Amino acid sequence: GDSVTQMEGPVTLSEEAFLTINCTYTATGYPSLFWYVQYPGEGLQLLLKATKADDKGSNKGFEATYRKETTSFHLEKGSVQVSDSAVYFCALSDLENNNDMRFGAGTRLTVKP
Amino acid sequence: NAGVTQTPKFRILKIGQSMTLQCTQDMNHNYMYWYRQDPGMGLKLIYYSVGAGITDKGEVPNGYNVSRSTTEDFPLRLELAAPSQTSVYFCASKGQVTNTEAFFGQGTRLTVV
Repeated sequence: GDSVTQMEGPVTLSEEAFLTINCTYTATGYPSLFWYVQYPGEGLQLLLKATKADDKGSNKGFEATYRKETTSFHLEKGSVQVSDSAVYFCALSDLENNNDMRFGAGTRLTVKP
Repeated sequence: NAGVTQTPKFRILKIGQSMTLQCTQDMNHNYMYWYRQDPGMGLKLIYYSVGAGITDKGEVPNGYNVSRSTTEDFPLRLELAAPSQTSVYFCASKGQVTNTEAFFGQGTRLTVV
């Protein structure tokens, strides 16, 4: 079945550092890929998405490129801020599986001033 | 625009009690999901529905039941609550098209003592 494997955390960075959170997936069809962010005490919010190979999703300085050849969707940001501290989830949606949303385990990011 | 609304936000149950977690969405989405998130862990799919009158089991359905009598509502029923069901529960909804994202409620924090 479909699955998402995400870089284990937690990740602690200093402000203005470069961020990469790795995500790889397994899917039977041609999934859409998503990054969600969860701030403390809140639900998940969409951060960015990509719907086909070589698409790049971007939002709030975060980027991720849909790489079909390596089945990856790594999240990057050039300069993190304290306000980026949150848990980040990689996810996929696959029509072959009734649009079931599958999530990675989540990566907790803490940015220190 | 309310999006996905979950009630209650917090609840403490005694072992063996039952309760229903309510979820309603106003986006006319066909797909609805229930997830649980254990402390420091990712999301586990409990049940999902692809439309009114249709439900199916996810990864961890034991101890739970759902119904989908309308497009808007997708309640989750806990019968005979157990400490292992202490978790944060999230409801989500999604449109028909694969490349659209899921929208999440704010979560219900349930403690079984």
